[in-house]
Amino acid sequence: EAGVAQSPRYKIIEKRQSVAFWCNPISGHATLYWYQQILGQGPKLLIQFQNNGVVDDSQLPKDRFSAERLKGVDSTLKIQPAKLEDSAVYLCASSLDGHRTATIYFGEGSWLTVV
Amino acid sequence: AQSVSQHNHHVILSEAASLELGCNYSYGGTVNLFWYVQYPGQHLQLLLKYFSGDPLVKGIKGFEAEFIKSKFSFNLRKPSVQWSDTAEYFCAVSHGSSNTGKLIFGQGTTLQVKP
Repeated sequence: EAGVAQSPRYKIIEKRQSVAFWCNPISGHATLYWYQQILGQGPKLLIQFQNNGVVDDSQLPKDRFSAERLKGVDSTLKIQPAKLEDSAVYLCASSLDGHRTATIYFGEGSWLTVV
Repeated sequence: AQSVSQHNHHVILSEAASLELGCNYSYGGTVNLFWYVQYPGQHLQLLLKYFSGDPLVKGIKGFEAEFIKSKFSFNLRKPSVQWSDTAEYFCAVSHGSSNTGKLIFGQGTTLQVKP
């Protein structure tokens, strides 16, 4: 079974530039998550989709971050303009239906360095 | 706000030593509890999970964890570690009544096993 795919794996940009990350969840998974993991910390949820609707985006810095999942499958996370503190690993994850008992599967992450 | 605390940031053990990693959470309601592992260069993987029932849960690769409700703890244990257990370990919590599956992670513990 294919896992959660993410790209690009690594990105270095200057502050105030923009960047976009792409995620393809496991086939058939209705729920998709984006987490931010800053070095030395645990992952923090940015946004959760159920199919193409947003379930939780309470911790998404909406002045600079945006995410979409237009057809309920792939998702894109965008940062514009980037700040130094956005340097982190951006993890995409998916689960079958978002139920509390459903296992969440993580991708390998997209590493962002803002200089 | 709910939080998860992992007291050991970096643990170094010799092979065959016993392991116990601490995890405490702050939330008064029903919780679901998880331990994830991230091997070097790999994605986060689920080690074990607790939803209800027997508070002693067994996971993959010989790991187990015990939920002690009175102490708000979910410590991870393994009687005899191997070099291949070198990884970062994350404790995570979700609300028991939630149907979103949102995970709140601790900051992680880096385990280094010396051969």
